Amino acid sequence: GEDVEQSLFLSVREGDSSVINCTYTDSSSTYLYWYKQEPGAGLQLLTYIFSNMDMKQDQRLTVLLNKKDKHLSLRIADTQTGDSAIYFCAENRMNRDDKIIFGKGTRLHILP
Amino acid sequence: ETGVTQSPTHLIKTRGQQVTLRCSSQSGHNTVSWYQQALGQGPQFIFQYYREEENGRGNFPPRFSGLQFPNYSSELNVNALELDDSALYLCASSSRLAGRYEQYFGPGTRLTVT
Repeated sequence: GEDVEQSLFLSVREGDSSVINCTYTDSSSTYLYWYKQEPGAGLQLLTYIFSNMDMKQDQRLTVLLNKKDKHLSLRIADTQTGDSAIYFCAENRMNRDDKIIFGKGTRLHILP
Repeated sequence: ETGVTQSPTHLIKTRGQQVTLRCSSQSGHNTVSWYQQALGQGPQFIFQYYREEENGRGNFPPRFSGLQFPNYSSELNVNALELDDSALYLCASSSRLAGRYEQYFGPGTRLTVT
């Protein structure tokens, strides 16, 4: 199937780390992405990881990939109120059309 | 470098009408993809255009059609609008010359069909 699965909600206290998890189904997926969507806005590409990598770090963001389990996670260190948004996990199998398949998104809520 | 732009921002149409949405790709990008995002869902791939031709299509009926112009901008046309077509329509641009895996999205057009 084409499903990308992720939990729908996550609440985290300001200053703590947020970890958003995702599973995908196709082992041929080549690029895996995290996009951020704020209310009423389009999608912002946060980071991506190539399938031959296990980890990628970019400032407060850390992506971990477990290809055997088809599990992807996004860790946001020192979560801030500006991180409140919906986070989409997505995969690109690098077929002819570069179709990106998205999960339904995880809504991150920041507690004061 | 300019980002991806879309017009209009919002649109209200009635069932059975036709609509055209527009997208200007990011500078240097030659590929445009269109996605439909229903409320509470992730974006769904409609189709992609490269070199002015459709390069792949998702599970959408033929009444969804598109065009790409020589300057790489693109249009999405939807005929015989249905209530379920109400959604945020997102355009993404990328480059097949470099970094084809990086797709950058515009702010979207919110279409409401009544």
